[in-house]
Amino acid sequence: GQSLEQPSEVTAVEGAIVQINCTYQTSGFYGLSWYQQHDGGAPTFLSYNALDGLEETGRFSSFLSRSDSYGYLLLQELQMKDSASYFCAGANNRKLIWGLGTSLAVNP
Amino acid sequence: EAGVVQSPRYKIIEKKQPVAFWCNPISGHNTLYWYRQNLGQGPELLIRYENEEAVDDSQLPKDRFSAERLKGVDSTLKIQPAELGDSAVYLCASIQSVRGTEAFFGQGTRLTVV
Repeated sequence: GQSLEQPSEVTAVEGAIVQINCTYQTSGFYGLSWYQQHDGGAPTFLSYNALDGLEETGRFSSFLSRSDSYGYLLLQELQMKDSASYFCAGANNRKLIWGLGTSLAVNP
Repeated sequence: EAGVVQSPRYKIIEKKQPVAFWCNPISGHNTLYWYRQNLGQGPELLIRYENEEAVDDSQLPKDRFSAERLKGVDSTLKIQPAELGDSAVYLCASIQSVRGTEAFFGQGTRLTVV
């Protein structure tokens, strides 16, 4: 089948670094995206990995390893506003397939 | 540039009543998705359009749900009749092509069926 797995919850403190992992089983897969969603809001795009390796965008970085069917989102210098749900989504030739999301709580 | 626009933002209806949601995607985006999202869950695909063609509607409950995308631009999603279990947020998203790197989402319609 086609599925993505990620932890349901992660807790961290302000200023810390947190990594949210995503493992997947998708056929015809050609990229992994990450989205952020605050309570009551719409998902917003964070990053996309089409190739193996690390993509850095400010405080957020995303990594993909196709051979391991694995990726992660790395959030540095955590801020309270980073408290949200984070979704990995795999793209194949027909559609975006979403993980169930990771709820990140950033505490003072 | 305007983003994906959805209306209404909120809707409360009684069960067995019909309801419709509207979506205006970003100009030039050929691919349009309708998702349903329950609290604490990820978006669940209902239907995907490529221009005016519904290319993936395998998850759409066709006994009560219908959708259309006239002229490959705006889209409507309809539920008739609504059931209590249909209460959720209905999200519309558009992307330039299915291989695009970024899907843009509207703010969603929060449906409550009572």
